[in-house]
Amino acid sequence: DAKTTQPTSMDCAEGRAANLPCNHSTISGNEYVYWYRQIHSQGPQYIIHGLKNNETNEMASLIITEDRKSSTLILPHATLRDTAVYYCIAANYGGSQGNLIFGKGTKLSVKP
Amino acid sequence: DTAVSQTPKYLVTQMGNDKSIKCEQNLGHDTMYWYKQDSKKFLKIMFSYNNKELIINETVPNRFSPKSPDKAHLNLHINSLELGDSAVYFCASSPRTSGYNEQFFGPGTRLTVL
Repeated sequence: DAKTTQPTSMDCAEGRAANLPCNHSTISGNEYVYWYRQIHSQGPQYIIHGLKNNETNEMASLIITEDRKSSTLILPHATLRDTAVYYCIAANYGGSQGNLIFGKGTKLSVKP
Repeated sequence: DTAVSQTPKYLVTQMGNDKSIKCEQNLGHDTMYWYKQDSKKFLKIMFSYNNKELIINETVPNRFSPKSPDKAHLNLHINSLELGDSAVYFCASSPRTSGYNEQFFGPGTRLTVL
């Protein structure tokens, strides 16, 4: 699986958009980009995933560059409850079982 | 209506003991997992399991063994507990329909070995 690199930490003002970058320059053609987050003392939570097209759901938007070497997770209106560690993972679409490899992630702090 | 549940939430025990952590999912998913999150917050997969196949992370000691009485349950048995086993253990599940990487995690079990 391709490795990803993310900033260690970021701050965001409450109500503003949070843009979390991720580099995955060695991603292969059949690998998707997955985003998870882990709020303190809770289990990780799936957010969104994509292959090459931009994706949006009720939680966030995922923007993937045309060369697929990087992506950005966008939380359009960050709230204090969005404070968490955000993980960007590049992985194949599964096969017979999952294959997520979590890195260090980005600690996002949303401030009032 | 909890999707993935684990018991106990906290487990404190002595070195050398044998313990189990239980996991249940009511999502009808095909595959279940155990992850370990150590004190440095690194989250690593230990096992993935469905009715057909068990995949073990090669770094997991054989003192750890998953046991699945049925499709909705995947319990983790740990023999001869060591200090280094202290961590938070997360259970997860995923459906076949979304390629298995859209995983639903339980709340975690914090294991402390004294």
